[in-house]
Amino acid sequence: AQRVTQPEKLLSVFKGAPVELKCNYSYSGSPELFWYVQYSRQRLQLLLRHISRESIKGFTADLNKGETSFHLKKPFAQEEDSAMYYCALSGQGNMLTFGGGTRLMVKP
Amino acid sequence: GAGVSQSPSNKVTEKGKDVELRCDPISGHTALYWYRQSLGQGLEFLIYFQGNSAPDKSGLPSDRFSAERTGGSVSTLTIQRTQQEDSAVYLCASSWTGAWDNEQFFGPGTRLTVL
Repeated sequence: AQRVTQPEKLLSVFKGAPVELKCNYSYSGSPELFWYVQYSRQRLQLLLRHISRESIKGFTADLNKGETSFHLKKPFAQEEDSAMYYCALSGQGNMLTFGGGTRLMVKP
Repeated sequence: GAGVSQSPSNKVTEKGKDVELRCDPISGHTALYWYRQSLGQGLEFLIYFQGNSAPDKSGLPSDRFSAERTGGSVSTLTIQRTQQEDSAVYLCASSWTGAWDNEQFFGPGTRLTVL
């Protein structure tokens, strides 16, 4: 079975502060991991995927197989980063298994 | 096309009634997914269509739920004899292929409220 856990339902930081949204997964095979974001009144969209090793909007995420984690980080949060963030895993089958989501609030 | 579209955007129904939710994927996308977003359960996979292959129905919560995809394009999710616990936002997504690394593009969702 595959499972994704995001331990924080809400994360509140001040503008300019570093941000880390935690994601842990459980999967017996080799996982493919993603971060999706949903801004207010917008549809869910892909933020980044681990295979691309890219930085999008200043966010990065590193897959740590030893700790089974894929935490999302940004060194300096911006107000426009406020949104709902979902960590997702593609393992068995091609569907995504999502974590419960973390709401990020960046205060001015 | 603009992206994945879904209709209706909102649906209020009475317990016991049947409902149909529609999804128009991005033209050319062969893979189509249905997910459900609810307060208690988060985002859950429901069903997946890939080309002409038999759909993966492993996420459907009960036999009251069914879906079809006609002509490899439009999909309809049907919920029979709706229950209050079916209240949720139903999301449709599509991708070019069903490969694991294909980005899934999501629709705006249909908010279903069962009274």
